[in-house]
Amino acid sequence: GAGVSQSPSNKVTEKGKDVELRCDPISGHTALYWYRQRLGQGLEFLIYFQGNSAPDKSGLPSDRFSAERTGESVSTLTIQRTQQEDSAVYLCASSSYRVTGELFFGEGSRLTVL
Amino acid sequence: GENVEQHPSTLSVQEGDSAVIKCTYSDSASNYFPWYKQELGKGPQLIIDIRSNVGEKKDQRIAVTLNKTAKHFSLHITETQPEDSAVYFCAEGSTLGRLYFGRGTQLTVWP
Repeated sequence: GAGVSQSPSNKVTEKGKDVELRCDPISGHTALYWYRQRLGQGLEFLIYFQGNSAPDKSGLPSDRFSAERTGESVSTLTIQRTQQEDSAVYLCASSSYRVTGELFFGEGSRLTVL
Repeated sequence: GENVEQHPSTLSVQEGDSAVIKCTYSDSASNYFPWYKQELGKGPQLIIDIRSNVGEKKDQRIAVTLNKTAKHFSLHITETQPEDSAVYFCAEGSTLGRLYFGRGTQLTVWP
């Protein structure tokens, strides 16, 4: 497809379980971002990948959160031992800019932790 | 603390009126200031952006102004239409690459 693809679109899990969220960026985009958006809130920066450089993990809220990216392709965001406060929409975006420029967002993965 | 503050959180205008949303930032290294529009159930989409070497940029009914000295920038929408109703986010970034977003403004345009 032409846009950023995220899966699953919806995930319901029980507290304490681990979840993996996947992002397929636009082909050729070197930059990839993950954001968290709680209900009615803004976008909270989580992590930023740029090519083969070390990722900027400064926004990850705890060590239960981690993300990986293989080269300039797919990324997975993993949340271990989920808590109810992790419930949110997780948005992925990619960009062709090597410094800041237009981000193209996916439609998000809605996570509900019961 | 917040990297960028956005006001107001909600804004209601009559169709045809103008809407203005303001953001302030604190990082002197910031040099990129985009605005995104998010419709219900979708990811945000870029509507206009400005870099620090420019004070104003316009695209049809949308304009953005930047005051680097005061560290604030604003979105102006003229001749608003009901389809302009959405949540608008400002953001700021630098050469470090990460982009920080404001908390958003819910704009409602009444016909």
